[in-house]
Amino acid sequence: NAGVTQTPKFQVLKTGQSMTLQCAQDMNHEYMSWYRQDPGMGLRLIHYSVGAGITDQGEVPNGYNVSRSTTEDFPLRLLSAAPSQTSVYFCASRGTSGRVEQFFGPGTRLTVL
Amino acid sequence: GNSVTQMEGPVTLSEEAFLTINCTYTATGYPSLFWYVQYPGEGLQLLLKATKADDKGSNKGFEATYRKETTSFHLEKGSVQVSDSAVYFCALSDAGGTSYGKLTFGQGTILTVHP
Repeated sequence: NAGVTQTPKFQVLKTGQSMTLQCAQDMNHEYMSWYRQDPGMGLRLIHYSVGAGITDQGEVPNGYNVSRSTTEDFPLRLLSAAPSQTSVYFCASRGTSGRVEQFFGPGTRLTVL
Repeated sequence: GNSVTQMEGPVTLSEEAFLTINCTYTATGYPSLFWYVQYPGEGLQLLLKATKADDKGSNKGFEATYRKETTSFHLEKGSVQVSDSAVYFCALSDAGGTSYGKLTFGQGTILTVHP
């Protein structure tokens, strides 16, 4: 199993540009989520999904969109990038029965100029 | 809402020293508690977990006990190594229901171990 994969690893955008951060998992996990990591603030939940076709907002959803058309993929879209969105983004997944821990991808480091 | 508070960092220790990183939480119900570790340039890895009161999680010489009476989950290791240098995150997960285990993280504690 590859686990949770994220692309790209690094990205630089200009203010106002749009882009999609990709996330995929091969563990057949129902639950997937996106976090952003900022210095001194830990990780904060952006959006999450409990299954294909179902998404909901987390703690800091503004400026981000998500969709979940398949169990495997959970892309995060920035519609109009802002410098405040400079961060490291982590995707995570977990199953909905048994084990409770989440598995994290390697992260995408995004810089918005 | 839920919250997690970790001790202020960074923490700098000599090799073989004793490590404690304090973590306290606020939550309704009976959350699961976790310690995640992030090595330089990498994503988060689960270090250990505890799912109910008085459970002790352990892994790689690290331990933490779920103390409901003090709402704490302090991380300890008896003898740290240089390879333990990383950022450590305490986190809690909602018990279930409609929340589906969303994680709430502390701010992270940077640990540096010198030879």
